[in-house]
Amino acid sequence: AQSVTQLDSQVPVFEEAPVELRCNYSSSVSVYLFWYVQYPNQGLQLLLKYLSGSTLVKGINGFEAEFNKSQTSFHLRKPSVHISDTAEYFCAVRKNTGNQFYFGTGTSLTVIP
Amino acid sequence: DVKVTQSSRYLVKRTGEKVFLECVQDMDHENMFWYRQDPGLGLRLIYFSYDVKMKEKGDIPEGYSVSREKKERFSLILESASTNQTSMYLCASRNGGGAGYEQYFGPGTRLTVT
Repeated sequence: AQSVTQLDSQVPVFEEAPVELRCNYSSSVSVYLFWYVQYPNQGLQLLLKYLSGSTLVKGINGFEAEFNKSQTSFHLRKPSVHISDTAEYFCAVRKNTGNQFYFGTGTSLTVIP
Repeated sequence: DVKVTQSSRYLVKRTGEKVFLECVQDMDHENMFWYRQDPGLGLRLIYFSYDVKMKEKGDIPEGYSVSREKKERFSLILESASTNQTSMYLCASRNGGGAGYEQYFGPGTRLTVT
């Protein structure tokens, strides 16, 4: 079975500071990796995804993530956060076969003015 | 843009009632999913469907059933609602043709069972 671990349930950070949200997964097969964001009272929307190729993936709103196969990690980063980045962030994994996505438990990012 | 809509944003039902949650997508996607979201537990898959009239159990199907009579519509049914089914319910759809296609989510239905 797949598992996705987001070690930090809550991350407070000051405005304009950098942030890293951590995601580790377990899988014996190749996977596709995704980061989603959920703003208050909304559904999830895609930030970025890794399918293949370059291990550094850039997404919307200035976010990027790096796939590290040896460490089975896909950490999300932003060099300078804004108040509007306050949201819940979910890491998700999908095997290269099958339809099911596996989500982490989420990280609540709070940007402090 | 892909649009996934859910019939209600907020719903309050009594214990024992039969509850229907409706989800509609407008992009001709093959795959549709129902999740529940609870604090500290993330998203857990209840059921998914990869085609009309086809369904597969997810990780927590107990107490739920689904129906997919048309490609664009996927319904979640709580046969007899219980208080432990109070949760946020999220529907998603996905194009089944490509391995890397992401899921698109609806805005969610917050269900309270009293």
